[in-house]
Amino acid sequence: AQSVTQPDIHITVSEGASLELRCNYSYGATPYLFWYVQSPGQGLQLLLKYFSGDTLVQGIKGFEAEFKRSQSSFNLRKPSVHWSDAAEYFCAVGNTGNQFYFGTGTSLTVIP
Amino acid sequence: NAGVTQTPKFRVLKTGQSMTLLCAQDMNHEYMYWYRQDPGMGLRLIHYSVGEGTTAKGEVPDGYNVSRLKKQNFLLGLESAAPSQTSVYFCASSYGLAGDTDTQYFGPGTRLTVL
Repeated sequence: AQSVTQPDIHITVSEGASLELRCNYSYGATPYLFWYVQSPGQGLQLLLKYFSGDTLVQGIKGFEAEFKRSQSSFNLRKPSVHWSDAAEYFCAVGNTGNQFYFGTGTSLTVIP
Repeated sequence: NAGVTQTPKFRVLKTGQSMTLLCAQDMNHEYMYWYRQDPGMGLRLIHYSVGEGTTAKGEVPDGYNVSRLKKQNFLLGLESAAPSQTSVYFCASSYGLAGDTDTQYFGPGTRLTVL
């Protein structure tokens, strides 16, 4: 069965610092992987996705993620965090049956 | 192009009452989904639909029913609401084919409180 683990419930970083949010997945085949961001009171917005090809994917808002099959990971990174990046981040895995499984989320706080 | 819309945005029910949440999408997507989001639990799939007239159970279907009479609409019903169904409900849709187009688009959510 598919599953997603986000080990960090909450992360605090200083504005301008780099960021890495961890995501590990469990899936037998090549996964479809996603990162979403949710601002308070809002729905989820897609940051980036990986289906195949280059294992380093670029997304919106300066985010990138790297797929590492050997580690079953899809970590999200940003070189310099902005105060507006404070939000909840969800990693998700999808299968060919169009079912999606979400992690429990990582809450990001950005301090000035 | 409104994307995915949900009605209502907020609702308070008493235990035992019924209600229907409406999800509408104008992207001609085949697949539609209902999730619930609870603190510390992430999003959990309630039901989904792979096309007009079809529905399937997700991870947490008990206490909910759904219908997809029209391609653009996906209804989530609670026949007898319980406090355990207090949650934020999200609808999503996707094109429906494996590949680059297979991304979910989410509505803004419905916050439901059952007293």
